[in-house]
Amino acid sequence: KAGVTQTPRYLIKTRGQQVTLSCSPISGHRSVSWYQQTPGQGLQFLFEYFSETQRNKGNFPGRFSGRQFSNSRSEMNVSTLELGDSALYLCASSLAVGGAGELFFGEGSRLTVL
Amino acid sequence: GNSVTQMEGPVTLSEEAFLTINCTYTATGYPSLFWYVQYPGEGLQLLLKATKADDKGSNKGFEATYRKETTSFHLEKGSVQVSDSAVYFCALRPDDMRFGAGTRLTVKP
Repeated sequence: KAGVTQTPRYLIKTRGQQVTLSCSPISGHRSVSWYQQTPGQGLQFLFEYFSETQRNKGNFPGRFSGRQFSNSRSEMNVSTLELGDSALYLCASSLAVGGAGELFFGEGSRLTVL
Repeated sequence: GNSVTQMEGPVTLSEEAFLTINCTYTATGYPSLFWYVQYPGEGLQLLLKATKADDKGSNKGFEATYRKETTSFHLEKGSVQVSDSAVYFCALRPDDMRFGAGTRLTVKP
């Protein structure tokens, strides 16, 4: 069974640009969550989608957005990039929202903003 | 709100030493509790979980018990190996999953 796949794995952007990251969940998983990981702030929750609907949202500015498609694949977008957006962006999938379900993580997309 | 506080590292141990990484939580209701591990250059992997009070999660020699009275979920291992060197995250999940800051463990031969 294929795991969670994130693309691209590495990317470099400059301030002011925008970026789109993609996540393909494990087959059959309908929930996708996104996290930002930085050395200073650790793992911070961005948002969670289930059946194409955003179910939960973390405390990030509106420049961070996401969506989920009918096949459960998800994308997140960051507009008007800032230096502080440099981070590892992790996607995770699970069968459902909440409860005891574990999250299965991808290897992440490492974004560097210059 | 829901949050997790875990022992900050780094933690350095010799091989075969005993490991404890402390984790306490604040939550409304009865969240599920998790320990995840992140090896260099990889995403997070579930190490163990517990879904209700007094449950003990265990995997690969690691254990943690869900203590409602002390709101804790401390991770323990009796004899660590070099291959256990990684970053360990405590997490809770009532709805979305919230993580602690992570504890970097280095095990020296």
